[in-house]
Order: sequence, then structure tokens, then C-alpha cells
Amino acid sequence: GQQLNQSPQSMFIQEGEDVSMNCTSSSIFNTWLWYKQDPGEGPVLLIALYKAGELTSNGRLTAQFGITRKDSFLNISASIPSDVGIYFCAGLRRGSRLTFGEGTQLTVNP
Amino acid sequence: DGGITQSPKYLFRKEGQNVTLSCEQNLNHDAMYWYRQDPGQGLRLIYYSQIVNDFQKGDIAEGYSVSREKKESFPLTVTSAQKNPTAFYLCASTPHGEPQHFGDGTRLSIL
Repeated sequence: GQQLNQSPQSMFIQEGEDVSMNCTSSSIFNTWLWYKQDPGEGPVLLIALYKAGELTSNGRLTAQFGITRKDSFLNISASIPSDVGIYFCAGLRRGSRLTFGEGTQLTVNP
Repeated sequence: DGGITQSPKYLFRKEGQNVTLSCEQNLNHDAMYWYRQDPGQGLRLIYYSQIVNDFQKGDIAEGYSVSREKKESFPLTVTSAQKNPTAFYLCASTPHGEPQHFGDGTRLSIL
């Protein structure tokens, strides 16, 4: 199936720092989603983006739907220890299945 | 509370044994999905079902089987033909066109 390139694969940051991660694709998507997965649990939806150029915030999280519809990024401001986990992007095209990125493993040092 | 319930949380399989993972949802969602997650990797789609009594193979269906006899339930059987079944299995559901909601997963290991 088609792939999403998510980067970076892992990040090690200090508490209080800002974080940025992104996903790119060779294909256009109609919806971009960002999920967070804590160890041993299922992914939880953080932000959903439905329109090219859309910028959406959820607390300290901000995500954007790229204007070309082929990319999206997620920013986390002022990171805290509970931000630790794996962050996944996912893209959806009409009539097609959800495609997931490989994930970004975030570690926050207190 | 509405949600997706996966059971058991941990499961062990012996050689040559079939095991069944349960997924139940009370969200009245039409579509349900099974994913496999290996350490350090993303989610790979095993099977999905968009309506009752219908399901399609995903990207890695070999060695797995499913049924969808009720809207609320989408059990996954890991058969003995699946030679590398150790993984974290995630079930998800969605009303059509909406983001998927996930259960808390089942971790399957080999004895």
C-alpha cells in the first residue's frame, strides 16, 4: 500500500522544549490525523484536519494540513514528561483506507 | 461508557494452536478494523469490515481470519498458519468517513 514518511523516527528532548514532527506523502489526502500512543495502550486521536491549509490547536498541540495536501506537521509546545509516547500521523483519501506513518517516539527528560 | 473493548489484554499461544482475540464496540459504528503492531513499527492492516456479514483482507491477512456476524463484534483468529504471531493487536472502529477510534490492544506471545 501507499506509504507516509514520518520524521523524525525518534526525539530526545528536555522538559520545556518545543517539538516538531511531520509526515509527507507522494499522494494527496483529504484528511490528516494525528494520534498518540502510550506504552501498552491503543492510539488516541489528538487532532483531525479536514481542509488544506487548516491549522488546528488542541492545548499545547498544533497541527497543520499542508497546502499541497501531501503533508502535515504536528508541534508540541513547552513539552512535559507526560508527552512521552509514540505519535502517529495518518492520511485518509475518499473511498480508501487509512494509511499510517511509522511513528515518532518522543522521550522527554525532566 | 461507550467505547471499544479488546480482550484479553495478554494472550499466549502454543505451537499449532488457533487463538481468538475479541473486539466489541458499543459506539454503533459501521466499520471495524484489525491492525498488527510490531515493536518500533507502525500499524499494518490485517482485515477490515464496513458492514455486517462482509469483510475484506488488508495488507497482511495471511494466517488470520475474521467474522462479522454482529455489528458490535469483530473477532480475529490467529491461526497456526501465522508463523510469527507475536505482536500487539489493535482493533478500531469508525462511522464512515470519520477518524478511527482504537481499543487498548491485545499482546500475543508464543509459549
